[in-house]
Amino acid sequence: DIQMTQSPSTLSASVGDRVTITCRTSQSISSWLAWYQQKPGKAPKLLIYRASSLDSGVPSRFSGSGSETQFTLTISSLQPDDFATYYCQQYNTYSPWTFGQGTKVEIK
Amino acid sequence: EVQLEQSGADVKKPGESLKIACKGSGYSFTSYWIAWVRQMPGKGLEWMGIIYPGDSDTRYSPSFQGQVTISADKSISTAYLQWSSLKASDTAMYYCARHPVQFSNHPGYFDLWGRGTLVTVSS
Repeated sequence: DIQMTQSPSTLSASVGDRVTITCRTSQSISSWLAWYQQKPGKAPKLLIYRASSLDSGVPSRFSGSGSETQFTLTISSLQPDDFATYYCQQYNTYSPWTFGQGTKVEIK
Repeated sequence: EVQLEQSGADVKKPGESLKIACKGSGYSFTSYWIAWVRQMPGKGLEWMGIIYPGDSDTRYSPSFQGQVTISADKSISTAYLQWSSLKASDTAMYYCARHPVQFSNHPGYFDLWGRGTLVTVSS
């Protein structure tokens, strides 16, 4: 199975900060990676798919980049609504799909 | 409105069976893959398996193969996740989620999620 390493596990930031979350995979997955946001008691919400494609309705302050084994999610200017937990997920062909461990973005 | 409506929370004893449901509405249920995702209390997300309701093509994560059964009844636009013998470790929130691309042959990500079904297994 493909192993996911997401970092950091917790991130403290202030409104307006630029935030970057990293996801590494144990083998190349081309661009088969998605990012989700989850708030307490709620279902996950898709932000990014195919590593860098923004899902419909997602604010443009969110962006994704990377390929092969290293990926990043960037929030260009953190907003109050962005404090949540973020997960990466690989969906490479012929491998069981797996999520990263999650990154909790907290208020500094 | 396009949505996935999940069955309500359930409390079961170890060894009991359970089938939880996910009903799709507002779209062509048979044309989109539906996945099941587990989230244990305070933990992350785990992909369990996926089904294409149009032909019941089903794929499981090795971690869940043999532990659960995923099925669908396209006549009532509903997907199911079932256990034949629950364990305490099955206590979790279970989400169904839809892949957004119709007739997809690579259904790996999910844009439409149900609210989740909380399953509690306790003696």
